[in-house]
Amino acid sequence: AQKITQTQPGMFVQEKEAVTLDCTYDTSDQSYGLFWYKQPSSGEMIFLIYQGSYDEQNATEGRYSLNFQKARKSANLVISASQLGDSAMYFCAMSPDSGYSTLTFGKGTMLLVSP
Amino acid sequence: GAGVSQTPSNKVTEKGKYVELRCDPISGHTALYWYRQSLGQGPEFLIYFQGTGAADDSGLPNDRFFAVRPEGSVSTLKIQRTERGDSAVYLCASRGSGNTIYFGEGSWLTVV
Repeated sequence: AQKITQTQPGMFVQEKEAVTLDCTYDTSDQSYGLFWYKQPSSGEMIFLIYQGSYDEQNATEGRYSLNFQKARKSANLVISASQLGDSAMYFCAMSPDSGYSTLTFGKGTMLLVSP
Repeated sequence: GAGVSQTPSNKVTEKGKYVELRCDPISGHTALYWYRQSLGQGPEFLIYFQGTGAADDSGLPNDRFFAVRPEGSVSTLKIQRTERGDSAVYLCASRGSGNTIYFGEGSWLTVV
């Protein structure tokens, strides 16, 4: 079984600052995929970034980067230069076999960006 | 459209009634997923289709829930004898050849 833990129910950050959203996971699989999704108030889950368990380099997508520490089983999301539009719920998720299967989600972190 | 489309966006139904929720995935995506999201929680897996067949239906909570994808494209999630505890957002997602799963905006179901 896989489990995702997001310990921060809410985070506050000022515009233009960087913020780190925490995610730890538990799995017995050797091969797995890690994802971050953003869910604004509209409800749609928007894909942000993906990290495969065998990827040696941390994934980056624009202002998003994933700080992958395999030994610690953590996959924190770093958002640089926060914008007001980044205010949303953020979910960490994982799947077995590097992403070709179902996703297990954490409970999410609400991020609020202030001017 | 270019994304995953779900209808209806909102549905209010009486306890005991039958409900159908429709999902139109991204064109060409062979994998289709249904998730359920309760208030304050992350999405929970219900069922996964690869083509027309259900590759994994282990997340369906009981036999009141059923889903079909007869032609390998559009899928319908069917809920019989609805209960108040079924109230949630039902999210559909699809995946193509890559590893990214794309979600729709969900169908908000309220059982009164």
